Amino acid sequence: GAVVSQHPSRVICKSGTSVKIECRSLDFQATTMFWYRQFPKQSLMLMATSNEGSKATYEQGVEKDKFLINHASLTLSTLTVTSAHPEDSSFYICSARVPSYEQYFGPGTRLTVT
Amino acid sequence: SQQGEEDPQALSIQEGENATMNCSYKTSINNLQWYRQNSGRGLVHLILIRSNEREKHSGRLRVTLDTSKKSSSLLITASRAADTASYFCATDLAGYNTDKLIFGTGTRLQVFP
Repeated sequence: GAVVSQHPSRVICKSGTSVKIECRSLDFQATTMFWYRQFPKQSLMLMATSNEGSKATYEQGVEKDKFLINHASLTLSTLTVTSAHPEDSSFYICSARVPSYEQYFGPGTRLTVT
Repeated sequence: SQQGEEDPQALSIQEGENATMNCSYKTSINNLQWYRQNSGRGLVHLILIRSNEREKHSGRLRVTLDTSKKSSSLLITASRAADTASYFCATDLAGYNTDKLIFGTGTRLQVFP
């Protein structure tokens, strides 16, 4: 089956620093990947749609200069949280779409900003 | 917000009982999907039902879709403690050239042994 990995699974960083999260499709090519964030006991909120070779499309209210997305290849998308603040602490999940309309999700990255 | 609503928000049952959770959404869709999420983990795809389907089965799962009411239900029969998780419905947006999924608010299911 389709497998999506994320790295790192957990990261702790200090306020003001930047953190990069990787999302990889391991056994298929993904022209489109998605980035979500999830606060405790809440649902997933779509942040942006990442398209290989082009600029990401951000959802309303998501700062594109703060959450930099790069989809450099058909198997890798990265999310960089710049100048992190404690309120950026969250669970970040990526997904990749396969042609059957299903999305396969990564295991998530827990970001804690101190 | 386009986010779907799920109810109940939380559900506690005993092993062997059935669990039913409901999802309502706001716009026309191409398909609706159900996902499971164990605490602090990623999402696992359970089942997809297309807008022209009314019912679908997969093992102990039964999903119904009523597009006239913009609602869906997920039934888990003969529940097990391992079914303890959060369950989310997710819809796409018909008429929009996009693959975006809109997630419901989720139901936290706890199954006691």
